[in-house]
Amino acid sequence: AQTVTQSQPEMSVQEAETVTLSCTYDTSENNYYLFWYKQPPSRQMILVIRQEAYKQQNATENRFSVNFQKAAKSFSLKISDSQLGDTAMYFCAFMKDYAGNTGKLIFGQGTTLQVKP
Amino acid sequence: DSGVTQTPKHLITATGQRVTLRCSPRSGDLSVYWYQQSLDQGLQFLIQYYNGEERAKGNILERFSAQQFPDLHSELNLSSLELGDSALYFCASSGDFNQPQHFGDGTRLSIL
Repeated sequence: AQTVTQSQPEMSVQEAETVTLSCTYDTSENNYYLFWYKQPPSRQMILVIRQEAYKQQNATENRFSVNFQKAAKSFSLKISDSQLGDTAMYFCAFMKDYAGNTGKLIFGQGTTLQVKP
Repeated sequence: DSGVTQTPKHLITATGQRVTLRCSPRSGDLSVYWYQQSLDQGLQFLIQYYNGEERAKGNILERFSAQQFPDLHSELNLSSLELGDSALYFCASSGDFNQPQHFGDGTRLSIL
């Protein structure tokens, strides 16, 4: 069974600085997808970034980038130039990729990030 | 706005009761997923439907059931409610299994 672990329950960062959230996962699959979702106090679940395991290039979306280390089964999220609106809980998620895949997402426990002014 | 609509936003009821949560997926999305978010269990996958057919089941209790209708909206039915069923229930939809899932705003269920 796949598991996703986020070892940092809470983090804080000063506005405009850079912060990195950690995520590790355990799987025997070779093909899969990894995601970071953001849940602000409004409780919406917002997709931040997506990485296909077969791609060596790390995904980037504006101020958000990932460091994907497939051999180490590590998938960290870097937020550059942090903004107050980045304050949220961040979830790392895993999804298998194979014929007949259901699309089931397996989530980590979440990391609460507070951006301080 | 994700395009996924969940109703109601809040639901307060008592133990032993039955409730129905409703989800309308994004236009064109055939897959609907239900997730439960609670303090002790975190975010857990419950069940998935694809074009009206059940595709996968996760940690869904026997007291819970779901269905997807021909117009692709989905309902999650929770019966014989217990205090531990208090949680935020999310619906998500996607076009295909490997496409990103877009979440609704959730239904907050409180059992008194």
